[in-house]
Amino acid sequence: VQLLESGGGLVQPGGSLRLSCGASGFTFSSYAMSWVRQAPGKGLEWVSTISDSGGSTFYADSVKGRFFISRDSSKNTLFLQMNSVRAEDTAVYYCAKDRVDTPIHWFDPWGQGTLVIVSS
Amino acid sequence: DIQLTQSPSSVSASVGDRVTITCRASQGISSWLAWYQQKPGKAPKLLIYAASSLQSGGPSRFSGSGSGTDFTLTISSLQPEDFATYYCQQANSFPLTFGGGTKVEIK
Repeated sequence: VQLLESGGGLVQPGGSLRLSCGASGFTFSSYAMSWVRQAPGKGLEWVSTISDSGGSTFYADSVKGRFFISRDSSKNTLFLQMNSVRAEDTAVYYCAKDRVDTPIHWFDPWGQGTLVIVSS
Repeated sequence: DIQLTQSPSSVSASVGDRVTITCRASQGISSWLAWYQQKPGKAPKLLIYAASSLQSGGPSRFSGSGSGTDFTLTISSLQPEDFATYYCQQANSFPLTFGGGTKVEIK
């Protein structure tokens, strides 16, 4: 099982960025997927989860209405569209797979992370 | 939202020591709790799920216990590779939440 994030970088406040997470080694369409972030020197913060079918999505209040999670099972890829970004969105963003193919959200494994820096 | 409070925030211990970390939930979460280990510059790794189930490949010196609101992660005999930060996470309900972390440092 492998998860590989991409798309991070420097973005100005108010700007947009799309993160991707390529998945391999498992049946992508059978598992819920999530994004979790970690600000520099800080703890872990759950951001968003999408169900295996993509029909259900969940967001932290801190990103609701600004970030949008989606998935393309034909390409085994998870996305996070980040809009109206703020300085406090600066973090390493990890994608993570549910441990098993039931809607119980233990995260295993995690990708290596992609760094997003929001600054002018 | 369910708040998770970990204690201590840091602990200094020696190789071979027994280390216990606690995680308290602001409301009952049955056994919907996981523990992760994170080393500097690396992604977290799942150690324990469902409060007490050891993730495949996890060393047997790690154990978890508890239910409801009070949970513990125990390292029975600390090894050099165990120096890391540990986080609890509840999967009882959205928003999913993590504890603030416990850093296990070398004494």
